[in-house]
Amino acid sequence: QQQVKQSPQSLIVQKGGISIINCAYENTAFDYFPWYQQFPGKGPALLIAIRPDVSEKKEGRFTISFNKSAKQFSLHIMDSQPGDSATYFCAASRTGGTSYGKLTFGQGTILTVHP
Amino acid sequence: DSGVTQTPKHLITATGQRVTLRCSPRSGDLSVYWYQQSLDQGLQFLIQYYNGEERAKGNILERFSAQQFPDLHSELNLSSLELGDSALYFCASGWEGSTTNEKLFFGSGTQLSVL
Repeated sequence: QQQVKQSPQSLIVQKGGISIINCAYENTAFDYFPWYQQFPGKGPALLIAIRPDVSEKKEGRFTISFNKSAKQFSLHIMDSQPGDSATYFCAASRTGGTSYGKLTFGQGTILTVHP
Repeated sequence: DSGVTQTPKHLITATGQRVTLRCSPRSGDLSVYWYQQSLDQGLQFLIQYYNGEERAKGNILERFSAQQFPDLHSELNLSSLELGDSALYFCASGWEGSTTNEKLFFGSGTQLSVL
């Protein structure tokens, strides 16, 4: 019940295109869903996050769509740029108490944006 | 730069040995989290310390232990090392009191190679 499944494993997009990465979770107690971006040689960095009380959150070119009934959420990167080429991880956790910061990560998606 | 410092960046050792990984959290953060990243298991939560006390445990082996010192830096000790322990070990820090809680800041990691 702790799994977060992420797809696709890799994604190639042309500059200016839309990148879409999907995640599904099992544990209905999860109430915090962040996306992390990781460049080679660096640690993951928080990109954007959403809670189940909203169905969509947008920050610049990055949008999270959340479907509570389907237990799915996705990251959309609009107008993808070569600088967006990185590995993207979805994650989920329960907030509060000893669960704070205890993230369950998806397997990651390697995004390549061609110029 | 996340503000989280991990040393060393690379560590090469032999099976059966013991190593210590060090982490200095961001200034003001009381929590330190250790994560392991490997090709087969992905990013997995190991253990959390909050202000010197163990707060939560994840998939941490009994051969592994951690502690957080009064100056809030943390050390992850890995003993009786096996080939399968080769991975990237990340430390992250965060502050639970934030209204935008659970924003974890990851260090750049320690790449452990067990030969």
